[in-house]
Amino acid sequence: GAVVSQHPSRVICKSGTSVKIECRSLDFQATTMFWYRQFPKQSLMLMATSNEGSKATYEQGVEKDKFLINHASLTLSTLTVTSAHPEDSSFYICSARGGGGSWVTNEKLFFGSGTQLSVL
Amino acid sequence: AQTVTQSQPEMSVQEAETVTLSCTYDTSENNYYLFWYKQPPSRQMILVIRQEAYKQQNATENRFSVNFQKAAKSFSLKISDSQLGDTAMYFCAFMNMEYGNKLVFGAGTILRVKS
Repeated sequence: GAVVSQHPSRVICKSGTSVKIECRSLDFQATTMFWYRQFPKQSLMLMATSNEGSKATYEQGVEKDKFLINHASLTLSTLTVTSAHPEDSSFYICSARGGGGSWVTNEKLFFGSGTQLSVL
Repeated sequence: AQTVTQSQPEMSVQEAETVTLSCTYDTSENNYYLFWYKQPPSRQMILVIRQEAYKQQNATENRFSVNFQKAAKSFSLKISDSQLGDTAMYFCAFMNMEYGNKLVFGAGTILRVKS
């Protein structure tokens, strides 16, 4: 089955630094990637949607300048948390969607394994 | 706006027993998709089962089945012969193509399977 690789799995950084999280589709071309944020024992909240070669679409309330998303190729999307602060500490998850054909059979969402960000 | 409601924050079940997790949703659309995802302690999201709204037949995947009531906007998940490995957070989710194919998740239900 399709695999989405997300790195790093865990990162600890100092307040004020920037952190980059990568999301790669390993055996399919991801036309669209989604970035979620999840607090402990809570649901996944969609942050933004990125399409290859175009600007990301952010959900209401998500700071575009804080969470930079780049989807430069059909297999890679990155989320950069700029000038991270303790309140940015969270679990970040990406998902990727391949394209083509019947939605039911061919177009599915695949999730990365997540990144735990801790800002000191 | 699409909303998904899971009214059971936590559930527990004895091993080998059956448990049902509830989910309701709100939409004005007629064509959409519903999902149940499992998130075990590893936090990897795993698709459990999927239902297309235009299908009247309830989806089934081995020990997992759904009761899809379109008119009532209800989508419950039944887990039969519960196993310890079923212990996880379960999320009900909704997707509509006109809403950009974005998943809208419910708040989740923590399921604990006891031996």
